[in-house]
Amino acid sequence: SAVISQKPSRDICQRGTSLTIQCQVDSQVTMMFWYRQQPGQSLTLIATANQGSEATYESGFVIDKFPISRPNLTFSTLTVSNMSPEDSSIYLCSVLRIAPDTQYFGPGTRLTVL
Amino acid sequence: DQQVKQNSPSLSVQEGRISILNCDYTNSMFDYFLWYKKYPAEGPTFLISISSIKDKNEDGRFTVFLNKSAKHLSLHIVPSQPGDSAVYFCAARVGGGYNKLIFGAGTRLAVHP
Repeated sequence: SAVISQKPSRDICQRGTSLTIQCQVDSQVTMMFWYRQQPGQSLTLIATANQGSEATYESGFVIDKFPISRPNLTFSTLTVSNMSPEDSSIYLCSVLRIAPDTQYFGPGTRLTVL
Repeated sequence: DQQVKQNSPSLSVQEGRISILNCDYTNSMFDYFLWYKKYPAEGPTFLISISSIKDKNEDGRFTVFLNKSAKHLSLHIVPSQPGDSAVYFCAARVGGGYNKLIFGAGTRLAVHP
């Protein structure tokens, strides 16, 4: 498995502001991902965080809204920019462990936008 | 389009009995399936997985069955315990090296004494 921490664990923000979420892993991983879980819904992949290059975004998600950094193999950040109440969600990072290929998730960041 | 479906939003089972959680999918290109358990205020915890070339995988009280012709998988928990009460998510991996997971909507399992 993997030990994954996220900061902050929760936050309440005003609309129009931005929040940066950090994800730290206890060992080097090749692939890191960012997911969103909106209230009452399932998990949706936002993007794959690539080390040394731009993140790969899923349909419906754009870099201007969700900029991602991945400076090394143990750390990534997701920024939620120009927030609106519709961005209120749980944001989760995950990492891929090989053989067998399994994604492990962090504890999540619960974001409320007023 | 909902490629992974968990049609039962909730399931209630008596302690000691079997819990069966179901999942259907539409994309025949999925090559790997996983089950996660999620408690409130926590991230999903990996439970068990199965490759598309297998039809069964067992790990302790948890067994996953895959029926490729029906595009259906199920998670069996035997015997069920009150600590199993959580939301269970089925996830399917898009093949081809993308490692993208598509999740079902989840089933809330309640195991009562």
